[in-house]
Amino acid sequence: DIQMTQSPSSLSASVGDRVTITCRASQTITTYLNWYQQKPGKAPGLLIYGASSLRSGVPSRFSGSGSGTDFTLTISSLQPEDFATYYCQLSYNAPVFTFGQGTKLEMK
Amino acid sequence: EVQLVESGGGLVQPGGSLRLSCAASGFTFSSSDMHWVRQPTGKGLEWVSTIGTLADTFYPDSVKGRFTVSRENARNSLYLQMNSLRAGDTAVYYCARTTGDFWRGTAHFDLWGRGTRVTVSS
Repeated sequence: DIQMTQSPSSLSASVGDRVTITCRASQTITTYLNWYQQKPGKAPGLLIYGASSLRSGVPSRFSGSGSGTDFTLTISSLQPEDFATYYCQLSYNAPVFTFGQGTKLEMK
Repeated sequence: EVQLVESGGGLVQPGGSLRLSCAASGFTFSSSDMHWVRQPTGKGLEWVSTIGTLADTFYPDSVKGRFTVSRENARNSLYLQMNSLRAGDTAVYYCARTTGDFWRGTAHFDLWGRGTRVTVSS
């Protein structure tokens, strides 16, 4: 099975900061990697699919990059509403879906 | 409105059974691959089951043989029959839709319900 390692598990940052979250796969997955945001008490919401495609309606301060085994989610300038937990998700291993462990982004 | 609404959660004793339902609206349910994903309190997301448009089903080892996913396209409804429940099955269960081709690796969860809570405890 392909393992996903997401880091860091938690992160403290301030409004206006640039933030990067990383996901690493145990073997190459080309660009079959998606990113989600989850706020407390809410369902996750899709941000990025196919490693770098921004979902319609998602602010352009969110971006995704990477291919092969290493992927990043970047928030260019943190806004107050961005404090949440972020998950990567592997779609390469059909029909198995694997989520990363999550990164909790907290206000410094 | 495009939405998924789960129901059927609750408190059940270890070894018991529960059936979750998910009502879909606002999109062509019969053409959509559907899934259940769960989240224990304070923990991460775990994929629980998939049912394709041809009613093909898939499960992780953690629930295989105990959980059964099904769909009723005429009612725009998804179900999850959970048997032999354990304390480790305690979680919020989300119904979710993917868009893209999961056999080609392009599937992504683009629509989620609000979840229904399942608690397995004596």
